Formats: sequence, C-alpha cells, structure tokens
Amino acid sequence: QVQLQESGPGLVKPSETLSLTCTVSGGSIRSYCWSWIRQPPGKGLEWIGFIFYSESADYNPSLKSRVTISIDTSKNQFSVKLSSVTAADTAVYYCVRSKGNSYGYPFDDWGQGTLVTVSS
Amino acid sequence: DIVMTQSPDSLAVSLGERATINCKSSQSVLYSSNNMTYLAWYQQKPGQPPKLLIYWASTRESGVPDRFSGSGSGTDFTLTISSLQAEDVAVYYCQQYFTTPLSFGGGTKVEIK
Repeated sequence: QVQLQESGPGLVKPSETLSLTCTVSGGSIRSYCWSWIRQPPGKGLEWIGFIFYSESADYNPSLKSRVTISIDTSKNQFSVKLSSVTAADTAVYYCVRSKGNSYGYPFDDWGQGTLVTVSS
Repeated sequence: DIVMTQSPDSLAVSLGERATINCKSSQSVLYSSNNMTYLAWYQQKPGQPPKLLIYWASTRESGVPDRFSGSGSGTDFTLTISSLQAEDVAVYYCQQYFTTPLSFGGGTKVEIK
C-alpha cells in the first residue's frame, strides 16, 4: 500500500502563501490521480484540487484564483500552494490518492494530515 | 456544482442495533454510459484521516466489515451499519466523484446510546 506524508510549515502569516509537499512512497506517482483535501478544525472536508503525472490539474472554483498544485515525478512528490491566506484557511491539509487514474474514483489512500494555522 | 446533503447530523444508537445514514446529491451521480454510480462513503475517527468504506455506492472496500453496507441510486443513498460496534463511533461522510468540483456531505456523527 502506498504511503503519503505531508510536510511544510505549521504556521503561516495572513496574506502570505501556504506551501505543502506530499511525498509518496511504496508506489509510483506516475499513475493515479493525486489530490489535496482540507478540513477546518471541527468541520467537514473540502476538496482543493488534483493533479496527474502529466501535470494536468484541476481546482475547486472556490479556491481556483489562489491555488496551484504541482508535481515532481523525479522525487515522487506533489505540492500545493495557496496564496493570500486568511484565518479561514486554517485547517488540516491532507494529500490523497484516488483509487484509479482519473478523478472518477474514490480516495483510497490518505496522508495523516498536517495542521496549518494562519495567524500573525 | 453537486451539493451533497447528509442526514441526520448526528445519531445515537445502542450497541448491536442498526444505524442508518442518508445522503442526497443535488443531481444524479449515475453515469449512464457505464451504469456506475459515483458515490463513496468514508469513516473518520478522531485524529485520523478518513477511511474509504464503500464506493460505487455499494462496493465494500477490502477489509471493511460486512456490517457496513451501501445502497441507493440516482440521487438518494444510504449507509447502513447493521449491528453497531463500539469501534464504529466516528463521523461518516458521503462523497461524489462524478464530476468536479468533487464534493462531500457535511458528515454524520455516530455515537453509542
């Protein structure tokens, strides 16, 4: 089973850019669809966007103007950047794999998640 | 966008009794060309990431106990826990993967009565 591990700063200042990386081990990133999902404390799940190894990506329209997802197949990693953050972006951020090679599959492998707090 | 609505927000069930969670999508998640329903259920315990339980509306993920079952079609779906165990205390989410933006229901918290 593939393992996913998020890494990045746990504290980001308002108006700055949140940057996280997901390292995939136990399998190649050159298959499947890779997503970022977030969960504000005590709330539900929000899909941020996904990327394929081809670098084709799609984003949630609610975040599209602020988010970029990228992939580095040589390092088996994919990343998310969210600009102009506010307190509303405080959440646990998960990197996730879809069960197949398109977004038309459920999410079957999740990282443990990393809490990012936006505060000055 | 497809909006997923779950009910109830929470429920308390006695050990060994049945728990039923409902999920409604604002439009059909049935893809007519392959007759597949793009609906999944997840279980999330405190401090853990969600875990896939059911996909294609009724297919149990490997290793998931058979007391968990999914049913429904079109826009109305149900997750049933046939005999609630203590370890089933969690929040349950439905999710559609029919189209982007991918979306989740608001979650249903299951507790022991």
